[in-house]
Amino acid sequence: QQQVKQSPQSLIVQKGGISIINCAYENTAFDYFPWYQQFPGKGPALLIAIRPDVSEKKEGRFTISFNKSAKQFSLHIMDSQPGDSATYFCAARWRAGSYQLTFGKGTKLSVIP
Amino acid sequence: DTGVSQDPRHKITKRGQNVTFRCDPISEHNRLYWYRQTLGQGPEFLTYFQNEAQLEKSRLLSDRFSAERPKGSFSTLEIQRTEQGDSAMYLCAGGDSLANTEAFFGQGTRLTVV
Repeated sequence: QQQVKQSPQSLIVQKGGISIINCAYENTAFDYFPWYQQFPGKGPALLIAIRPDVSEKKEGRFTISFNKSAKQFSLHIMDSQPGDSATYFCAARWRAGSYQLTFGKGTKLSVIP
Repeated sequence: DTGVSQDPRHKITKRGQNVTFRCDPISEHNRLYWYRQTLGQGPEFLTYFQNEAQLEKSRLLSDRFSAERPKGSFSTLEIQRTEQGDSAMYLCAGGDSLANTEAFFGQGTRLTVV
């Protein structure tokens, strides 16, 4: 099964708050889990990524938490800012062959002042 | 800036016409991918090149679609006899297998079939 399930579909957070987006996968053939940020009319931009042998990775205000046994991972955006308003996609990469990415359906984040 | 450029950024075409898109990755990107993204959805994999060889194609890639990557540099994606269902953002992504880096996306080509 190639699905990556992402929730919520949309999220409204006040400035300074914490935004949390969750993803779950089924296939154990994935070896790399990136998050992409996409603004309207633009291509997805890599935000942060994690490998399954690590439980957490932090880069600035962005943190990925990874639960290998539950096959779940999440993105936390601390001190959310209006400039963070965008659509966020989790993805999972096949560990062989084309190393193609399978994406979730996206979460539209709105950070209100 | 990922270094992956796509041309054109926007394309409006009439149903039944052929269209061609171009992607220019950076020289280190021996891996090249095409994805398609429809409104409100995540990108979906279409095809993959390792250097000039097209090694994998999705079932989404119908016979009307063809992709090339001559000399392992730029790539083109052609859609023949376009249909309204082809309207989408077509994204190109590059990656470096030696560095095992993630895929870096271009800005995409927005296709509208009228």
